[in-house]
Amino acid sequence: ETGVTQSPTHLIKTRGQQVTLRCSSQSGHNTVSWYQQALGQGPQFIFQYYREEENGRGNFPPRFSGLQFPNYSSELNVNALELDDSALYLCASSAGLAGIYNEQFFGPGTRLTVL
Amino acid sequence: AQSVAQPEDQVKVAEGNPLTVKCTYSVSGNPYLFWYVQYPNRGLQFLLKYITGDNLVKGSYGFEAEFNKSQTSFHLKKPSALVSDSALYFCAVLNTDKLIFGTGTRLQVFP
Repeated sequence: ETGVTQSPTHLIKTRGQQVTLRCSSQSGHNTVSWYQQALGQGPQFIFQYYREEENGRGNFPPRFSGLQFPNYSSELNVNALELDDSALYLCASSAGLAGIYNEQFFGPGTRLTVL
Repeated sequence: AQSVAQPEDQVKVAEGNPLTVKCTYSVSGNPYLFWYVQYPNRGLQFLLKYITGDNLVKGSYGFEAEFNKSQTSFHLKKPSALVSDSALYFCAVLNTDKLIFGTGTRLQVFP
């Protein structure tokens, strides 16, 4: 059974650029959630995708957007990058909407640095 | 709003001694609480969760957590710490279908 994978591992961008981060969910999982973990902070929920539809969004501006594909893999897109977007971006997958019985399994994250 | 607080940024303990990492919660309704651990360059790994029932929850790697409703706490414990337990620990509460995390506690176990 393959776990959650994310690519790339590290990424360096400059202010104003756009970035795409990718996540492959664990086998059998149809739900992907994205979290942003700034340095010294806990992860913060960005949004969740369930069966290719956005299902729930945290307090992030519209320049954070996402997609989920028929194979349940997902992308996180961030436009007009700002310095504060520098963080570890975590993807988590679950078998169904994340809840008390649908545990979330996290990937290793993508470290984004914005200069 | 659902939230958790981890009052200690860092906890240091000697190997072989018991360890406690503290977490308090504020929720409306039933609390669904989790503990995760994060090792360097790794994602979050699930340790345990409380949904209902027994106040003492046993989890992975010998960790357990005690749910205390009157004190609104969910402290993580281990009877005998290992150097390999050194990592960043996060308490979290489930809000509908997303996790709300605390700010984390760095555990350092020294030989």
